[in-house]
Amino acid sequence: GEDVEQSLFLSVREGDSSVINCTYTDSSSTYLYWYKQEPGAGLQLLTYIFSNMDMKQDQRLTVLLNKKDKHLSLRIADTQTGDSAIYFCAEKEDYKLSFGAGTTVTVRA
Amino acid sequence: DAGITQSPRHKVTETGTPVTLRCHQTENHRYMYWYRQDPGHGLRLIHYSYGVKDTDKGEVSDGYSVSRSKTEDFLLTLESATSSQTSVYFCAISSPQLTYGYTFGSGTRLTVV
Repeated sequence: GEDVEQSLFLSVREGDSSVINCTYTDSSSTYLYWYKQEPGAGLQLLTYIFSNMDMKQDQRLTVLLNKKDKHLSLRIADTQTGDSAIYFCAEKEDYKLSFGAGTTVTVRA
Repeated sequence: DAGITQSPRHKVTETGTPVTLRCHQTENHRYMYWYRQDPGHGLRLIHYSYGVKDTDKGEVSDGYSVSRSKTEDFLLTLESATSSQTSVYFCAISSPQLTYGYTFGSGTRLTVV
């Protein structure tokens, strides 16, 4: 999806926080999503946020939404080796999701 | 993933041959999608279906066709495979509201030689 942009790579030390950023273009998107893809697997929904919310917290995950700037971020607290994966941001457009290119997160010891 | 399966999981085929990938769901969801995943491009929509016999094109539909004769099955056909269609193909399902996004299959890795 050319309409959703993410940085491609992030390296983080184990135990630190990871922040993955995303920008989207459709101001009418009602839902925005974060998916996680582990090697050789399909995508799994991590979390989602409704457009009338600014923040959503779910255990180690915090999603921040800035509608004015069309900016979405995912913060992973206390990053673990199991968090190494590709993370995709997606926005809802009608009955479809448009995905970013994915951010590859590498957790180093 | 529970409720959605793709077959085959891996396939190698020759340039110019037709190939059909199958997506099967047991969730009775109305919407089904085919995406391809390529490095640097993320997931790009090929075709989607909003009901039996109701399909529409996505952003990269050239060279692909789909069919949905039953709610549970969505078939993707590469009419004459080319090397540029070497990719990982994912099927997804959703309810119309997309409240919980998509549920994805495990993917089909297709290599065209």
